[in-house]
Amino acid sequence: AQSVTQPDIHITVSEGASLELRCNYSYGATPYLFWYVQSPGQGLQLLLKYFSGDTLVQGIKGFEAEFKRSQSSFNLRKPSVHWSDAAEYFCAVGARGTGFQKLVFGTGTRLLVSP
Amino acid sequence: DVKVTQSSRYLVKRTGEKVFLECVQDMDHENMFWYRQDPGLGLRLIYFSYDVKMKEKGDIPEGYSVSREKKERFSLILESASTNQTSMYLCASSEAGSSYNEQFFGPGTRLTVL
Repeated sequence: AQSVTQPDIHITVSEGASLELRCNYSYGATPYLFWYVQSPGQGLQLLLKYFSGDTLVQGIKGFEAEFKRSQSSFNLRKPSVHWSDAAEYFCAVGARGTGFQKLVFGTGTRLLVSP
Repeated sequence: DVKVTQSSRYLVKRTGEKVFLECVQDMDHENMFWYRQDPGLGLRLIYFSYDVKMKEKGDIPEGYSVSREKKERFSLILESASTNQTSMYLCASSEAGSSYNEQFFGPGTRLTVL
């Protein structure tokens, strides 16, 4: 079965600084990978996804993520953080060939943005 | 604009009560999901449905049941609520397909069981 680890529970970044949120997955083949964001009081919104092909994927709100098979990682990055990026971020993995679109989510990383 | 709505944002119930959480989507999606979200545990899948009257257990189905009588509506039922079911409940929906399609989430229902 697939699993996801987000090793950082909280991260604080200064506004304008760069951001990297870590995600490691466990799965025997190439998985489907996702990053979702949850703003306070809101549901989750998809930022980006990786299925195949180019290992650097671009998402909404200026985010990108890079799939590294050798490290089983799918880290989320943003070159310059804005105060509105303060939220909780979830990495998720889906298994291929199951017939159902079942995702396994990580435990989340809460991003705090300081002035 | 796509939309998933949940019947209540906040709900307070007593131990032993039967609780219904309702979810409606207006996107004609085949798949619907119920998750619970707890601090430090992320989102865990309770049940999902890929068609009307069809359901599949997720990772933590114990103590829950679901109902999907119409395509747009997916209900989560707590037959006899317990304090350990105090949590945030999120509903989601997605299109069917051979690949993984984006799941659209509702705003959540924060349930407190006293």
